[in-house]
Amino acid sequence: EPEVTQTPSHQVTQMGQEVILRCVPISNHLYFYWYRQILGQKVEFLVSFYNNEISEKSEIFDDQFSVERPDGSNFTLKIRSTKLEDSAMYFCASSEVRGGRANTEAFFGQGTRLTVV
Amino acid sequence: LAKTTQPISMDSYEGQEVNITCSHNNIATNDYITWYQQFPSQGPRFIIQGYKTKVTNEVASLFIPADRKSSTLSLPRVSLSDTAVYYCLVGDGGGSYIPTFGRGTSLIVHP
Repeated sequence: EPEVTQTPSHQVTQMGQEVILRCVPISNHLYFYWYRQILGQKVEFLVSFYNNEISEKSEIFDDQFSVERPDGSNFTLKIRSTKLEDSAMYFCASSEVRGGRANTEAFFGQGTRLTVV
Repeated sequence: LAKTTQPISMDSYEGQEVNITCSHNNIATNDYITWYQQFPSQGPRFIIQGYKTKVTNEVASLFIPADRKSSTLSLPRVSLSDTAVYYCLVGDGGGSYIPTFGRGTSLIVHP
């Protein structure tokens, strides 16, 4: 079964450092998402990406965040200057496009646990 | 976006059938109902999706009444490994569709 893969599985970084979280979406999917989940809290939407541009973003996705699809397979989330409160699980997801619309079935990766110290 | 309401937690025992009901009174005509499962420290996983009546797959069944204002996820004969958080999502897969997760229902299956 095809799957979304994320690297690294764990990342520890010092406050103020930049981190890049990597994702390889399922190959024929064209809608990509990033979510985060702070320990004990709900899965929160950060950003969606389609046709090489941001489609939607939440209030959480401020200027310290950016996304990129540097090549035909990777999808990255960059956090420019990490803060303690950025510590969370970050999930990448992808979905097919059908009739120009994102499919309601999204496939999630296993996540990257980011710890900011 | 239609708001969903589901119980915060449920307990069950191995071998029992578990039914989790989700209310979505403001569901729109084009909305589908999608359920996800999430184990600790893992990403959500799609379980089942439906529009109306009943849908069944190898994992679960989804019952949707005619008015579509609620839906019930049915897990037959649960095991300890079904302990997870279950999320009900409603949306139409539009161009800007964003799977939006609430608190979900934390199901604990006891031996």
